[in-house]
Amino acid sequence: EAGVAQSPRYKIIEKRQSVAFWCNPISGHATLYWYQQILGQGPKLLIQFQNNGVVDDSQLPKDRFSAERLKGVDSTLKIQPAKLEDSAVYLCASSLAGGDYGYTFGSGTRLTVV
Amino acid sequence: TQLLEQSPQFLSIQEGENLTVYCNSSSVFSSLQWYRQEPGEGPVLLVTVVTGGEVKKLKRLTFQFGDARKDSSLHITAAQPGDTGLYLCADPGDTGRRALTFGSGTRLQVQP
Repeated sequence: EAGVAQSPRYKIIEKRQSVAFWCNPISGHATLYWYQQILGQGPKLLIQFQNNGVVDDSQLPKDRFSAERLKGVDSTLKIQPAKLEDSAVYLCASSLAGGDYGYTFGSGTRLTVV
Repeated sequence: TQLLEQSPQFLSIQEGENLTVYCNSSSVFSSLQWYRQEPGEGPVLLVTVVTGGEVKKLKRLTFQFGDARKDSSLHITAAQPGDTGLYLCADPGDTGRRALTFGSGTRLQVQP
């Protein structure tokens, strides 16, 4: 089966600019996650969707980050405006039913804010 | 939310050596997962441990879950350069939420 697709793979922007990342999960996976992984750290959950509804966005910096999953399939994560500390890898993952059957991660988008 | 501590943070060894990395928490895990992440890729699941005292083997990798389900270890026998990567332990959380909480990872480098 096809994996979790993410684009772009790399992005360099200046601080205060906007950026958007896209994720297409495995077909049929109801749950979608966005994680932020800062260099030298483990991934940190930003937001979890179940179909097109938000399950957990408690760690999403809502003043600058937004995410949506229209139609319960692919998802977009946006940062506006970006800060230097947003430099990280943004990972998307999906699971069949809330993780009970395992998680599959995409290769991530590496964001550098200069 | 569980705080997962991993040690060591970084390990550089020669091919053929054995090593053990650790994952600890002050709270009890309902289950625990281990992932390996290679540069430029997302984490890939290696194993899930559920029962206290459980030992699982995956070729040269041995995973152990502590009796009290508050710690876990990963032992690699005769490490190879292909084992190089970031090893992450993760708590899947409670049923119904099921979002992974990761430790900070152990970065392993195996020199040929």
